[in-house]
Amino acid sequence: EAGVAQSPRYKIIEKRQSVAFWCNPISGHATLYWYQQILGQGPKLLIQFQNNGVVDDSQLPKDRFSAERLKGVDSTLKIQPAKLEDSAVYLCASSRGTGTGRTEAFFGQGTRLTVV
Amino acid sequence: AQTVTQSQPEMSVQEAETVTLSCTYDTSESDYYLFWYKQPPSRQMILVIRQEAYKQQNATENRFSVNFQKAAKSFSLKISDSQLGDAAMYFCASSEGYGQNFVFGPGTRLSVLP
Repeated sequence: EAGVAQSPRYKIIEKRQSVAFWCNPISGHATLYWYQQILGQGPKLLIQFQNNGVVDDSQLPKDRFSAERLKGVDSTLKIQPAKLEDSAVYLCASSRGTGTGRTEAFFGQGTRLTVV
Repeated sequence: AQTVTQSQPEMSVQEAETVTLSCTYDTSESDYYLFWYKQPPSRQMILVIRQEAYKQQNATENRFSVNFQKAAKSFSLKISDSQLGDAAMYFCASSEGYGQNFVFGPGTRLSVLP
């Protein structure tokens, strides 16, 4: 099966500019996650979707970050305006997310964002 | 809230030797999963091994095995017969509750010496 697809792989922007990342999860996976991974740290959850509804966005800086998952499939994460501290790798992951069994998350290759 | 701690920022092992990476966690749930993920320089996180909390038997996947100590909330990863391709960042993670949020530790960078 095809894995989680993310684009772009790399992005360099100036502070105060806007940027958007795209994610296509594994087909049939109901749950989609966006994680922020700052260099040298573990991934931190930004937002979690179950189908097209938000399950957890408690750590999403809502004054500048937004995310949507239209039709419960693809998702976009936007930052506007970007700050220097937003420089990180943005990882998208998906999991089956339904039923009593809890399965692992499958990750994309991430987008490395550099804000200068 | 669940937390995951990895106390070893860096580890190294000689090729063909065995190494153990440590992880401790905290959760208020009785039903949860624990994971070890590998992240090579390509950045893609790859699942190494998974442990269901209700299972007493330690999980094993080829050269990878875990030592799950539920009472101590400890979940270490043992890599046997280490290979050069095992060099990567290793993240311990936990998942609890219906929402399936995955919480990651800070990671351990493993170097494999030829």
